[in-house]
Amino acid sequence: QMQLQESGPGLVKPTQSLFLTCSVTGFSITSGYYWIWIRQSQGKHLEWMGYMTYSGETFYNPSLKSPISITRETSKNQFFLQLNSVTTEDTAMYYCATYRDYFDYWGQGVMVTVSS
Amino acid sequence: DTVLTQSPALAVSPGERVSISCRASEGVNSYMHWYQQKPGQQPKLLIYKASNLASGVPARFSGSGSGTDFTLTIDPVEADDTATYFCQQSWNDPTFGAGTKLELK
Repeated sequence: QMQLQESGPGLVKPTQSLFLTCSVTGFSITSGYYWIWIRQSQGKHLEWMGYMTYSGETFYNPSLKSPISITRETSKNQFFLQLNSVTTEDTAMYYCATYRDYFDYWGQGVMVTVSS
Repeated sequence: DTVLTQSPALAVSPGERVSISCRASEGVNSYMHWYQQKPGQQPKLLIYKASNLASGVPARFSGSGSGTDFTLTIDPVEADDTATYFCQQSWNDPTFGAGTKLELK
């Protein structure tokens, strides 16, 4: 059974960078699916941030105000989210998930607070 | 972006039938999906591509619709169904509705 687990700092200062890890077990990230980052603000609004295909292509949400980067480490079966120059608006629960039109496997999420 | 509009809240009694609607600002074919989210948990896929039941989801849940109007139906509603339900489209870049909070009387 595939499982995803997010990890990262719970608190980040404004203007700093945020780096999150999604560790995948039970399925190789190079074998299929698209691998996506989604965040949910305290108002419960869900927003996709970007995704990486199993072949390594990346696609990012053009509506995001801050630049992001999604990378991966195939030897560890992990993919990553980097969000630069964070602001308080980036405070949210961050989820990694699988994407194939719909999101069928989700991690439990990691709460990130941006505050000085 | 394709905007998805959901009613904010519904209250029903256990054993009743409830329909949760989602309207898209433009046609999304059948590329509409539904999720259930309970407090403190990640969203869980219920229905994909308008009417397909996700693995392990009880048959009390069903989905219908195409184009711009979609419905998630729960029949009969059980106490454990208290949650927020989100729709999501993937005809264009994915977007989510704001969610419908289902409460039981």
